[in-house]
Amino acid sequence: EVQLVESGGGLVQPGGSLRLSCAASGFTFSSYWMSWVRQAPGKGLEWVANIKQDGSEKYYVDSVKGRFTISRDNAKNSLYLQMNSLRAEDTAVYYCAREARDFDDAFDIWGQGTMVTVSS
Amino acid sequence: SYELTQPLSVSVALGQTARITCGGNNIGSKNVHWYQQKPGQAPVLVIYRDSNRPSGIPERFSGSNSGNTATLTISRAQAGDEADYYCQVWDSSTAVVFGGGTKLTVL
Repeated sequence: EVQLVESGGGLVQPGGSLRLSCAASGFTFSSYWMSWVRQAPGKGLEWVANIKQDGSEKYYVDSVKGRFTISRDNAKNSLYLQMNSLRAEDTAVYYCAREARDFDDAFDIWGQGTMVTVSS
Repeated sequence: SYELTQPLSVSVALGQTARITCGGNNIGSKNVHWYQQKPGQAPVLVIYRDSNRPSGIPERFSGSNSGNTATLTISRAQAGDEADYYCQVWDSSTAVVFGGGTKLTVL
């Protein structure tokens, strides 16, 4: 079964750090671009970052540039999001998602999400 | 930056046809994807590249895209179609762009 499972969310104080993980299974992880997408409580979807198959290219939404770092370990079939200098507005459910080249890079597989709460 | 505009809500009678629009500057020149999200669940891709359905998505779901508007059409609406729907495109300046989402209510 094709699956993505996120972990690492939790409660963190403003200015703190958190590292999210996404474990992939059921497909050749190293063949796909991967993304992080977040959703603040009661709000819409917001793309955060993505990374090329070999990790050589990474892109970020402006609001997280310089604070968040996306990475991957293809040997472990895992995607990561290192989040530093966290702010209240980073509070959201964070989803990892697979970009399907055959579907013109639509997000065809999503994890169940992990909640990040930034609050003192 | 590129923006996508969706109505906040759309209502449809059970068994009728619902149409959810997604507006953007010359969106007809882009590939539009649509996602369905039910409460407490992750989004699910229902339409990719304007009008294509992934396997497992009912034929009742269809899409079109022309000019400045893309449209998701849900025929013979069912109670189980109640959800939030998001359109999405890739843009050269903004990377991934999502619309604000539309809440579909089946009456």
